[in-house]
Amino acid sequence: RKEVEQDPGPFNVPEGATVAFNCTYSNSASQSFFWYRQDCRKEPKLLMSVYSSGNEDGRFTAQLNRASQYISLLIRDSKLSDSATYLCVVTSNAGNNRKLIWGLGTSLAVNP
Amino acid sequence: NAGVMQNPRHLVRRRGQEARLRCSPMKGHSHVYWYRQLPEEGLKFMVYLQKENIIDESGMPKERFSAEFPKEGPSILRIQQVVRGDSAAYFCASSPSTDLYGYTFGSGTRLTVV
Repeated sequence: RKEVEQDPGPFNVPEGATVAFNCTYSNSASQSFFWYRQDCRKEPKLLMSVYSSGNEDGRFTAQLNRASQYISLLIRDSKLSDSATYLCVVTSNAGNNRKLIWGLGTSLAVNP
Repeated sequence: NAGVMQNPRHLVRRRGQEARLRCSPMKGHSHVYWYRQLPEEGLKFMVYLQKENIIDESGMPKERFSAEFPKEGPSILRIQQVVRGDSAAYFCASSPSTDLYGYTFGSGTRLTVV
């Protein structure tokens, strides 16, 4: 089983739609969680961190369910500019070394 | 305040040559991470370095690949005797500490082996 699993998509949605991405992780000791966005052939950029209580940033809402080891990202009122790959990221602790474990990403295409 | 600087942006090498990829972290960042992204695949961790120390190289291929982060100058990822399978985007990220919330990526180096 992969450490971080995501539905690869692609998700094709019309402008204005609401779309949700899911992510599961295997290491119950993971402590920090993030969603990154990667545009084609560019570097990943942090979209938002994910907190236990859930958090919202404009049209984006992230949720964490530790019991189910599940993270979600909800995008409301999709814009054309939201088209990208969304990467789910969790931390892995190995001794004093914390590192990020990356999902393969979910591809989103928002159509006019 | 420049971000993470990687160069070159594009690098073409013939099979058997050496490739050197450079990464200058953000000012004040002393932790550097290298990742590789193969076409149509996700990011794969390669190595984590602090100044003059390799902290975690569990993602590095056992042969031909090496990395360093000297006291002065950029971090270098070195690939000897490149093969076609090394063609990929190589991303460097830096952070000010082990706090991963401050993680910032460079624009990457796209290596093509011909």
